[in-house]
Amino acid sequence: GAGVSQSPSNKVTEKGKDVELRCDPISGHTALYWYRQRLGQGLEFLIYFQGNSAPDKSGLPSDRFSAERTGESVSTLTIQRTQQEDSAVYLCASSFIGGNTEAFFGQGTRLTVV
Amino acid sequence: QKEVEQNSGPLSVPEGAIASLNCTYSDRGSQSFFWYRQYSGKSPELIMFIYSNGDKEDGRFTAQLNKASQYVSLLIRDSQPSDSATYLCAVTPSSASKIIFGSGTRLSIRP
Repeated sequence: GAGVSQSPSNKVTEKGKDVELRCDPISGHTALYWYRQRLGQGLEFLIYFQGNSAPDKSGLPSDRFSAERTGESVSTLTIQRTQQEDSAVYLCASSFIGGNTEAFFGQGTRLTVV
Repeated sequence: QKEVEQNSGPLSVPEGAIASLNCTYSDRGSQSFFWYRQYSGKSPELIMFIYSNGDKEDGRFTAQLNKASQYVSLLIRDSQPSDSATYLCAVTPSSASKIIFGSGTRLSIRP
């Protein structure tokens, strides 16, 4: 596609429910990143996918968070048993060949846990 | 020590002046350095990237990299009110290809 596409744009969920966020990267981009941005804060790295290599999951804050990506296509970020502190904007980015090339961001998913 | 550090600001600069934004990083072997701009409620967008020591200019923007001092900066000449935003410094560390972001500096250009 022309840009990184994320869905949904907004998600309100009840505490304890599971949510799934989707990211469709730019066509041909082998690298995909997920970040979390709390209100007024910087970007917190969550997970990085590069082609068919094992993902770098070092930023996932707990085992309630998981992500998948099949090949160089769509990625999903799943948060199980959501907590109020999970409320944030979740940003996805993709880049052509990894961290040494610029990353392009989607519009983000604003998650609110009530 | 944070991997990428920035002064959170706000940095207030008069219109037409030079805005200077600074960033330090902890991994001496870091390879690539990026500056992103983020308007309130929007996603980050890339302004500049730099890989080698020295200066890189693009229009009103100049990125400066000093690997010995582990320091990267962004200069904005002839600052405009539309430059008011949060500026995020980002670094690719030597150990991995992920991109790590600083917490950002909020810049305000006063007319």
